Amino acid sequence: AQKITQTQPGMFVQEKEAVTLDCTYDTSDPSYGLFWYKQPSSGEMIFLIYQGSYDQQNATEGRYSLNFQKARKSANLVISASQLGDSAMYFCAMSTGGSYIPTFGRGTSLIVHP
Amino acid sequence: KAGVTQTPRYLIKTRGQQVTLSCSPISGHRSVSWYQQTPGQGLQFLFEYFSETQRNKGNFPGRFSGRQFSNSRSEMNVSTLELGDSALYLCASSLAKMGDTQYFGPGTRLTVL
Repeated sequence: AQKITQTQPGMFVQEKEAVTLDCTYDTSDPSYGLFWYKQPSSGEMIFLIYQGSYDQQNATEGRYSLNFQKARKSANLVISASQLGDSAMYFCAMSTGGSYIPTFGRGTSLIVHP
Repeated sequence: KAGVTQTPRYLIKTRGQQVTLSCSPISGHRSVSWYQQTPGQGLQFLFEYFSETQRNKGNFPGRFSGRQFSNSRSEMNVSTLELGDSALYLCASSLAKMGDTQYFGPGTRLTVL
C-alpha cells in the first residue's frame, strides 16, 4: 500500500523568505511519481511540480523546487521568495507502478505574512 | 488550451434529493477522475473513467455513480443525499499515462441541508 504523510498542519513564513513544506512517502514499488499541488481558498487544485522516482536531478519550476531524498523517502517542496499569493493549502501526492491515480496527503496550510 | 471546467460551481440540496455534477476535461484528455474533499476526510478518490468505462473505483457507496460520454465529458451523480455528502467535489483530467499529471477543475461545492 502507498502512503503520503504531511506532518505540518500549518506553516507561517514572512514575505520574501523561503519555506520548506515536508512530505514523506511509503511505497514498495520502485517506479513512482511525486506531485505537489496548491489549493487556494477558491478550491481549485493547481499543479506545481512533478518528480519521477528515476529522475536524477531535483525538479524545479520557477520559485518551486522539490528536494527529493530517495533513501529517506522524502519529497519536500521548497518555495523561494514567498509571496502573499502563496498563502494556500499545499498537497503532496504520489502515484505508483501502473496506476496514474495519485494518493494525496492531508495537506499543509501555508500563511505568508507581509 | 482551456482547462478543466466544472458545473455548477455551487449547489444547495436537501437530504434525500439527488444531484448531478458535470465535468469537461482538457481537450485530448480521455481520463476523468472524481474526488470528494471534506475537512475531516481530506481528499478521497471516488472513481475514474477512461473512454466511457469506469476503470478505477474508490471506497464509496453505490449512491455515488458516474458516467463518461464519447466526447470525454463526465458526470457524477449522488442519489439520496445525506448531510455527510456536503463537500467540495473535484474533477481531474489526464492523459492517463504513468507519471502523467492530473489537472483539476475549480470544483463544485455541494451543501446538503
